[in-house]
Order: sequence, then C-alpha cells, then structure tokens
Amino acid sequence: GDSVTQTEGQVALSEEDFLTIHCNYSASGYPTLFWYVQYPGEGPQLLFRASRDKEKGSSRGFEATYDKGTTSFHLRKASVQESDSAVYYCALSVDSNYQLIWGSGTKLIIKP
Amino acid sequence: DPKIIQKPKYLVAVTGSEKILICEQYLGHNAMYWYRQSAKKPLEFMFSYSYQKLMDNQTASSRFQPQSSKKNHLDLQITALKPDDSATYFCASSQEGRAGQLYFGEGSKLTVL
Repeated sequence: GDSVTQTEGQVALSEEDFLTIHCNYSASGYPTLFWYVQYPGEGPQLLFRASRDKEKGSSRGFEATYDKGTTSFHLRKASVQESDSAVYYCALSVDSNYQLIWGSGTKLIIKP
Repeated sequence: DPKIIQKPKYLVAVTGSEKILICEQYLGHNAMYWYRQSAKKPLEFMFSYSYQKLMDNQTASSRFQPQSSKKNHLDLQITALKPDDSATYFCASSQEGRAGQLYFGEGSKLTVL
C-alpha cells in the first residue's frame, strides 16, 4: 500500500548545523510529495511540494528534491536556527487524491 | 487574521457527554477536512468534504459526525465521549484542484475526564 517513512523520530542539533530529515515513500500511482512544519500550539503549515522527478521544493531555507529512483524526498537545511524547532512531516498524495498519507513526524530540537 | 477559525480552542468534557467543535474557513476553499492529533497517532485523517459532500471517512466510530451547514463551515459533533477521544482536533481546507496543499486551523484541544 501507499506509505511514507520518516526514519528519524527526533533530531537534536546546534545552531548553524546542517539538517537532514529522511523521507521515503511507496506509491501505487502518481505521487506528489509535501513537507509540512508544525510549531508548538499551531496546526501544520505547508513548506513546499514536488510532483516531478528531480523537482526541488524550497521555502524558508529548507529544500528537498523529489527523487523517483530512490523514492525519496529528504528535507535539508544548511544552517538551522533556534526558530526552526518544530515537528516536520513528510506527506504523500497519490493520483492527486485529497487524502494525504503522513509520515510519523520528526521533532527538531535546536540545542542552545 | 486567522483564515481558519476553530472554536473552542480548549475544552474539557466528562465521559459520556457530547461536544461540537466549530470550524469556519475564509480562504474560499471548497474542500475541508478534520484531523486528529494525539500522543498515540501524530496526525490522523478523519474526514474530507468537497462542496459540502462527504468524500472520505476514515473514522471507524459513528460517534464522530461532521456537519456542514455552509460551504465554509465544517463542524464536528462527538457523542458519547470517551477518555481516548482526548486529542487536538484540527480543521483544514484546500483549494479545488490542489489536493494535499492543506491550510490548517490552530486546533481544538479536547480533554475527556
């Protein structure tokens, strides 16, 4: 079945560290990939999306490239800040279905 | 100004009672959703509506009933509340043709005692 796997449940970094959060997916049809961010006390917010092979999405210094060959959409940021502390969700829509399939989320902690 | 308004932000209920969670969106979207978030399941899809019609229901229990009185409203009625219903309930919406690009409200945190 269709699924999204985020391998890191939690990532702890210091400010200015490089961030990678891994996202792999399995889709029975045409996939569209999303990254969402959820700050404490708020609902998730869309960071960006991608639907074509090698398409790069980016926003707020975060970026991810959809790789059809490795079925991946890893989130990266070159230099994290304390304000980036949040939970990050990778999500999948198959064949433009309204129902998103969500990863389990990765909590990003920025150490002082 | 928030574009998706959820009321109330916090609520406490006793087991067996009934509550209604309110959601209004002012984004002009035709699709609306309910999600639930708890410690057990990070983000759980419940319902989707398009043009006020139910599109998808992933909630096993009939105790959860969405109600759409207007195009930009999607309330959630929960009956016979149980402690396991304690969670934050998020309303979301999306534009027709942009499936997956959701806008979420700030949530209603429900505690059932």
